Amino acid sequence: NAGVTQTPKFQVLKTGQSMTLQCAQDMNHEYMSWYRQDPGMGLRLIHYSVGAGITDQGEVPNGYNVSRSTTEDFPLRLLSAAPSQTSVYFCASSPGFSYEQYFGPGTRLTVT
Amino acid sequence: DQQVKQNSPSLSVQEGRISILNCDYTNSMFDYFLWYKKYPAEGPTFLISISSIKDKNEDGRFTVFLNKSAKHLSLHIVPSQPGDSAVYFCAASAVISSNTGKLIFGQGTTLQVKP
Repeated sequence: NAGVTQTPKFQVLKTGQSMTLQCAQDMNHEYMSWYRQDPGMGLRLIHYSVGAGITDQGEVPNGYNVSRSTTEDFPLRLLSAAPSQTSVYFCASSPGFSYEQYFGPGTRLTVT
Repeated sequence: DQQVKQNSPSLSVQEGRISILNCDYTNSMFDYFLWYKKYPAEGPTFLISISSIKDKNEDGRFTVFLNKSAKHLSLHIVPSQPGDSAVYFCAASAVISSNTGKLIFGQGTTLQVKP
């Protein structure tokens, strides 16, 4: 199993550009989520999904969209990038609520 | 409003000694707590967890203690090894009340174990 994979590893955007961060898992996990990590802030939940077709907002959802058309994939879309979205983004999955989450290697995004 | 707090940004211990990492929370609805370890340029990896019905959970060199009345949990690493040097995050979830399993993370503590 590849586990949780994320692409790209690094990305530089200009303010106003849009892009999609890809996340895929091959463990047949129902629960998937997106976090951002910023210095001194820990990891903050952006959006999460409890199964295909079901998504909900986390702590910091503004400026981001998600969809879950398959169990395996959970892409994160930045609609109009802003410098405040410069961060490291992690995708995670788990079999269910009370299980530990498995994290991908992260995407480092810089918005200039 | 930080619901999960790790007030020590860093901790340095000698190899072979005990490392104690602390975490406080404010939401009394949290019923499941986890510790994650993170190396640079990698995603966090799960270390150990504890349910609110327990006050201690042990896994090898790692033990997590939960004090519900104080809303405090701690991670003990005995003995500490240089390979334990990493950032440690505690996380909490209100599994039963929220039925979502959303994890709220603390800010992280950087542990350095000196040889």
